[in-house]
Amino acid sequence: DSGVTQTPKHLITATGQRVTLRCSPRSGDLSVYWYQQSLDQGLQFLIQYYNGEERAKGNILERFSAQQFPDLHSELNLSSLELGDSALYFCASSVAPGSGELFFGEGSRLTVL
Amino acid sequence: DQQVKQNSPSLSVQEGRISILNCDYTNSMFDYFLWYKKYPAEGPTFLISISSIKDKNEDGRFTVFLNKSAKHLSLHIVPSQPGDSAVYFCAASKFRVSDKLIFGTGTRLQVFP
Repeated sequence: DSGVTQTPKHLITATGQRVTLRCSPRSGDLSVYWYQQSLDQGLQFLIQYYNGEERAKGNILERFSAQQFPDLHSELNLSSLELGDSALYFCASSVAPGSGELFFGEGSRLTVL
Repeated sequence: DQQVKQNSPSLSVQEGRISILNCDYTNSMFDYFLWYKKYPAEGPTFLISISSIKDKNEDGRFTVFLNKSAKHLSLHIVPSQPGDSAVYFCAASKFRVSDKLIFGTGTRLQVFP
């Protein structure tokens, strides 16, 4: 158990819909990262937050947005969903930027039909 | 542009033998490299890392080698055990500039008796 909690574990929805994925980082970790893993692909970096502020952005679509709340949990919002958005979405946390190792949650599997 | 590449999607090794997983990178600015292991239905877990100032790091049965001139790193597992069967991801970062990790596509290792 990495200490990072993601909900929901599985989600099935239809094209055009909007979903929210939630992540609670390890106790004490201030930095949260979101990654997307599509079929047979590596983990693609989406976005990073540190202590409530956006710190780095990767290949995140404009239809996607995220935030980190004062209690340090984070949410990833995916809207106008398309079939290609079906993927595993991982959240990871670290104590602080530059600490090296990331601790990953078990992921949220999104299926868009 | 895939900056971190794992060209072997899968590898099969007999128990007790050495497993060698390879990873190539293209960005010479990367200065910190990590290996993660992923079991089905779980998030990736950190295995071992190496800084660009070193060429070898060892932790028990796991050793990572870094060849900066070739932009290549490898993970050696000796001896391989059935419990090592998993997907292994190589990751890299520009540690001094950004702490986001760039992942390869992974290599599925199967260790058979």
